[in-house]
Amino acid sequence: QQQVKQSPQSLIVQKGGISIINCAYENTAFDYFPWYQQFPGKGPALLIAIRPDVSEKKEGRFTISFNKSAKQFSLHIMDSQPGDSATYFCAAKGNNQGGKLIFGQGTELSVKP
Amino acid sequence: EAGVTQFPSHSVIEKGQTVTLRCDPISGHDNLYWYRRVMGKEIKFLLHFVKESKQDESGMPNNRFLAERTGGTYSTLKVQPAELEDSGVYFCASSQGGFSYNEQFFGPGTRLTVL
Repeated sequence: QQQVKQSPQSLIVQKGGISIINCAYENTAFDYFPWYQQFPGKGPALLIAIRPDVSEKKEGRFTISFNKSAKQFSLHIMDSQPGDSATYFCAAKGNNQGGKLIFGQGTELSVKP
Repeated sequence: EAGVTQFPSHSVIEKGQTVTLRCDPISGHDNLYWYRRVMGKEIKFLLHFVKESKQDESGMPNNRFLAERTGGTYSTLKVQPAELEDSGVYFCASSQGGFSYNEQFFGPGTRLTVL
């Protein structure tokens, strides 16, 4: 049972465009939603995270939008660059589950020059 | 400061053999996690250590998997005997203790292939 569903599986964007990756969850006990970025040969690295008490969080070109009622959250990458080409994972954590992260399936982003 | 390291980076073994993966967390991190990603699927939680104690092993697939964390430092994950479905990338992550929302730092992973 997939607790966090991520789409699309792959995404091709032109340089300068906006990349959008979406995630949906079922468990209302989730209260922490991080996004991880993974380059080939490396482990996932925390990119940006949000708690459900805010609807948006922005760090540079990266923005998380959060819709608590719809149980959805998304990552927007503005002015996408070839260096952003990587696999992106959304994740969620419950408030009574220690540090256990539940991940989505990942999105392979390719930004074309 | 050194990050999370994992050894080996790749392992190819025959079905029925034994493999041991090692993870060295960031020094001082009490929390150590193991995750696995089977090709193209989500990264799945396996287990969580707090120092040398298993806090949560709800994600361990079956009793062919044995994880240990010696003295609260490095950890090993042994698969015995390995099956074809055990193939995947095994990630280790560590975080500081005291707050379950502390950032988890991931190692580069061990790619395990069972033939």
